[in-house]
Amino acid sequence: DVKVTQSSRYLVKRTGEKVFLECVQDMDHENMFWYRQDPGLGLRLIYFSYDVKMKEKGDIPEGYSVSREKKERFSLILESASTNQTSMYLCASSSRQGGLETQYFGPGTRLLVL
Amino acid sequence: GDSVTQMEGPVTLSEEAFLTINCTYTATGYPSLFWYVQYPGEGLQLLLKATKADDKGSNKGFEATYRKETTSFHLEKGSVQVSDSAVYFCALGSSASKIIFGSGTRLSIRP
Repeated sequence: DVKVTQSSRYLVKRTGEKVFLECVQDMDHENMFWYRQDPGLGLRLIYFSYDVKMKEKGDIPEGYSVSREKKERFSLILESASTNQTSMYLCASSSRQGGLETQYFGPGTRLLVL
Repeated sequence: GDSVTQMEGPVTLSEEAFLTINCTYTATGYPSLFWYVQYPGEGLQLLLKATKADDKGSNKGFEATYRKETTSFHLEKGSVQVSDSAVYFCALGSSASKIIFGSGTRLSIRP
């Protein structure tokens, strides 16, 4: 069974804190993605990575950075959290053969920034 | 740019009712089209997909047909169950090789 796990289901942080969201996949997938999900806006792509140490900006990268030091792990970093980053964050992965569309999603991390 | 528009929810139906969730798209070229489903407390799962015009994707009793002439990919099911309650996302594989998601439609089925 394919598995994408995210380090936390719920997080509460204060404005200005540095926040790390971790995502791990056990499928040996090359591609990994971070989205945020907001009511009425669907999913919006923050960053993605095609390989270790590679990263590409998505549609809304401002205020975020990422790290991919190992193939199975893709981290999303909020350098200085702000209240407008309160959201649900979803990680996904896919194989190069499968194409970008065959993405497998983790359960999500609901982040509240106070 | 590429975009997806789907009907706003929430949609509430009785068990065994017929379901349609409308989805239209704007894209250059001929993108692949998808429906993803998100059950409560879970991540998204691919429900079905179609990769070219007139293709019909199907899974778990759901169907959607890729209509190039109307740029649509409406999701249908003949008889819904309580277990179909979820949020449904229409999506397309864009020319930039990314997935563009619609805003989602929440479906609730009454017993």
